[in-house]
Amino acid sequence: GAVVSQHPSRVICKSGTSVKIECRSLDFQATTMFWYRQFPKQSLMLMATSNEGSKATYEQGVEKDKFLINHASLTLSTLTVTSAHPEDSSFYICSARPYSPLTGVANYGYTFGSGTRLTVV
Amino acid sequence: AQKVTQAQTEISVVEKEDVTLDCVYETRDTTYYLFWYKQPPSGELVFLIRRNSFDEQNEISGRYSWNFQKSTSSFNFTITASQVVDSAVYFCALSEPYSGNTPLVFGKGTRLSVIA
Repeated sequence: GAVVSQHPSRVICKSGTSVKIECRSLDFQATTMFWYRQFPKQSLMLMATSNEGSKATYEQGVEKDKFLINHASLTLSTLTVTSAHPEDSSFYICSARPYSPLTGVANYGYTFGSGTRLTVV
Repeated sequence: AQKVTQAQTEISVVEKEDVTLDCVYETRDTTYYLFWYKQPPSGELVFLIRRNSFDEQNEISGRYSWNFQKSTSSFNFTITASQVVDSAVYFCALSEPYSGNTPLVFGKGTRLSVIA
């Protein structure tokens, strides 16, 4: 089945540094990748939608200069948390909808990465 | 706009009890998909079921069953004879079909604790 590999699974960084999270689609093309953030005991909130070869679309209230998203290929999307602060500590998870280049139709399911738990100290 | 409501924030049951998790959704689309996911303490999302809006048949998978009622816009999830391993957060979610660039909309989740 469709697999999204997300790395790292856990990262601790110092305040002010940047952290990059990668999501790779291993056996399908992901023209679109969704990035979610989940604070403790809360739901998954969509942060942004990344599209291969174009700029990401950010949800209201998400700082695009702080959360840099790059989707340079059909199999890789990255989220970089720049100048991280303790309030950025959260669980970040990516998701894609497997897409068929033959039919142009997205699979009706969603595949999720395993998530990245970011702690900023 | 799409919206998913899971009114139960936390539920605690004793092992072997049956438990139903409620999910109510809102959408203007006539075609849509509903999902349930399980999120154990490790964080990863475990897919449980996907149901399209044209299929109102209830589904049973082992101890899990789902009741889709389009008339009340509900998609409830029942665990029969609950076990400690069922303890997790359960999310109901909604999506539009066909387009690759529409995300899932999640409810706030229900935290289920099954006590031995």
